[in-house]
Amino acid sequence: DQQVKQNSPSLSVQEGRISILNCDYTNSMFDYFLWYKKYPAEGPTFLISISSIKDKNEDGRFTVFLNKSAKHLSLHIVPSQPGDSAVYFCAARIQGGSEKLVFGKGTKLTVNP
Amino acid sequence: EADIYQTPRYLVIGTGKKITLECSQTMGHDKMYWYQQDPGMELHLIHYSYGVNSTEKGDLSSESTVSRIRTEHFPLTLESARPSHTSQYLCASSEWLAGVQETQYFGPGTRLLVL
Repeated sequence: DQQVKQNSPSLSVQEGRISILNCDYTNSMFDYFLWYKKYPAEGPTFLISISSIKDKNEDGRFTVFLNKSAKHLSLHIVPSQPGDSAVYFCAARIQGGSEKLVFGKGTKLTVNP
Repeated sequence: EADIYQTPRYLVIGTGKKITLECSQTMGHDKMYWYQQDPGMELHLIHYSYGVNSTEKGDLSSESTVSRIRTEHFPLTLESARPSHTSQYLCASSEWLAGVQETQYFGPGTRLLVL
């Protein structure tokens, strides 16, 4: 049973517009969420994270929103650039000191020039 | 940001061969991890280590083994490779700082193809 779900396998947006990537989770014990970006043939690169005690975290063009009641988080990229084209993974960590991360299947973002 | 290295980047090998995938990090991180990822799928944790002489199995059962003799080095070994082991193997490391949530940093991965 998938605890972290990224229901959109792919997303295509125009350069300069907003990209919104979504992630849903089922385990209410998750207390820390991360977004990673992955290019083909490379390892995931950490993008941004958010603790469950917050509802928003911003870093430059990237903002992550957390809605705990809906068990939903989203990554906003504004403005989108062609170099943002990659697979984006949502990951979550279980409260209680376990360092293990649970990953979603990823969403492939394509930003068209 | 962690400097974490994996070799080889690509490996094509025949069934039955013994292989070792290397992972090293230069940041002195205590915690290291191995993930397995198939195309279009999530990353699955197969092994992790909290420090020297510490190894644990992850959530996904794997026939591979790991060792942690030195802080910076966390190799993964398959005694007898099979086609079902074909996958991408990703190594990660992290450091927990008091009061700060930790982040795992990944190496570039090893793409393994077993014929």
